[in-house]
Amino acid sequence: DTGVSQDPRHKITKRGQNVTFRCDPISEHNRLYWYRQTLGQGPEFLTYFQNEAQLEKSRLLSDRFSAERPKGSFSTLEIQRTEQGDSAMYLCASSLDGQATRGYTFGSGTRLTVV
Amino acid sequence: AQSVTQLGSHVSVSEGALVLLRCNYSSSVPPYLFWYVQYPNQGLQLLLKYTSAATLVKGINGFEAEFKKSETSFHLTKPSAHMSDAAEYFCAVGIQGAQKLVFGQGTRLTINP
Repeated sequence: DTGVSQDPRHKITKRGQNVTFRCDPISEHNRLYWYRQTLGQGPEFLTYFQNEAQLEKSRLLSDRFSAERPKGSFSTLEIQRTEQGDSAMYLCASSLDGQATRGYTFGSGTRLTVV
Repeated sequence: AQSVTQLGSHVSVSEGALVLLRCNYSSSVPPYLFWYVQYPNQGLQLLLKYTSAATLVKGINGFEAEFKKSETSFHLTKPSAHMSDAAEYFCAVGIQGAQKLVFGQGTRLTINP
């Protein structure tokens, strides 16, 4: 068990560019979550997957955002035409189905800075 | 709708003193409640959780929290603060069977030598 891995740890991009982040959950975890955390705030739910199915998306996830989990293992979060307001820490977490009440395992996050 | 309010965005205590971080929740159903800790530039680490078993919950690093339904509170305490406890602490309520977490705004804990 190597924990939840996120790549890259930091990303600086120019406004208008597209960015993609990757999350590798704990191998036996079938649920995967994305959260966004802006400076001085708590994390906010974006979306979650059970295996490859995206079960829920927050209204925070505008049409510029898309998340996939093609084979039910790793997940990607893409932001198109980035805006300065997208600057935040993007956190990934995973859990076993039916065991979310035990608490998720979070990755270290990807910090995005849009300049 | 479920929500949490953390009272005090910044708490400062002396090393060896009692740590008390306050969290009040709002939930129309029996809640799942969590405390997470976040060190600078890191993800969140689970400290402890309440899932309708014992109302006094013990977690890692000497922290504990007590669920008080009458006060809708889930305050986090530690009897004696250590310098390594300096971090951001988040209270969260789980909804939809804890498939989603709603976090408070966080409390930054500073430990004075």
